Amino acid sequence: ETVLTQSPGTLSLSPGERATLSCRASQSVSSSYLTWYQQKPGQAPRVLIFGASSRATGVPDRFSGSGSGTDFTLTISRLEPEDFAVYYCQQYGGSPPYTFGQGTKLEIK
Amino acid sequence: EVQLLESGGGLVQPGGSLRLSCAASGFTFSSYALNWVRQTPGKGLEWVSGINAAGTYYADSVKGRFTISRDNSKNTLYLQMNSLRAEDTAVYYCAKRPNTAERYFDYWGQGTLVTVSS
Repeated sequence: ETVLTQSPGTLSLSPGERATLSCRASQSVSSSYLTWYQQKPGQAPRVLIFGASSRATGVPDRFSGSGSGTDFTLTISRLEPEDFAVYYCQQYGGSPPYTFGQGTKLEIK
Repeated sequence: EVQLLESGGGLVQPGGSLRLSCAASGFTFSSYALNWVRQTPGKGLEWVSGINAAGTYYADSVKGRFTISRDNSKNTLYLQMNSLRAEDTAVYYCAKRPNTAERYFDYWGQGTLVTVSS
């Protein structure tokens, strides 16, 4: 099983600041199969970034993804109030085929 | 507009059974792979099962107890859950893959809560 470890667990920032979220895999992950989601309370996850760096339809360009191998990063260049949420990374490969990180909570400082 | 609407959750005793449904609309249902993903406060998001043209797939934690199926004439996905355990307590989401090449979930339902408790 490919274990995804996200850090930090909680990130406290102010609107306008830059956020950098990390996702580290226990073994190499194809960049084609690394995805980031955003989840707000009471809602289902929403895809932000797929293929490690491709923005999903309708996602603002302040969101960007990067990385390869075992280290991936989600960056939010300038935080808006609506960006405070929980973020998950997800990978495909191996058994089970899909695994998720434990999440990073982005909270208002 | 793509919509996925789960139903069938509720309170069930350990060892009991439940069948979840996911009614889909807004896309050609039969052409897409569909999955069940569950979420708990303790374990986070966990992929449970998937179905595509090639077959059905299960997490080890539910293999032999859960069965995924679909009725393309009714645009509905199902998850039959037997021999339920306390650790199956979660919000269950159905989730769609965007195409045959991609391996992520572009649309999710709102979720249905399953509680296994005596």
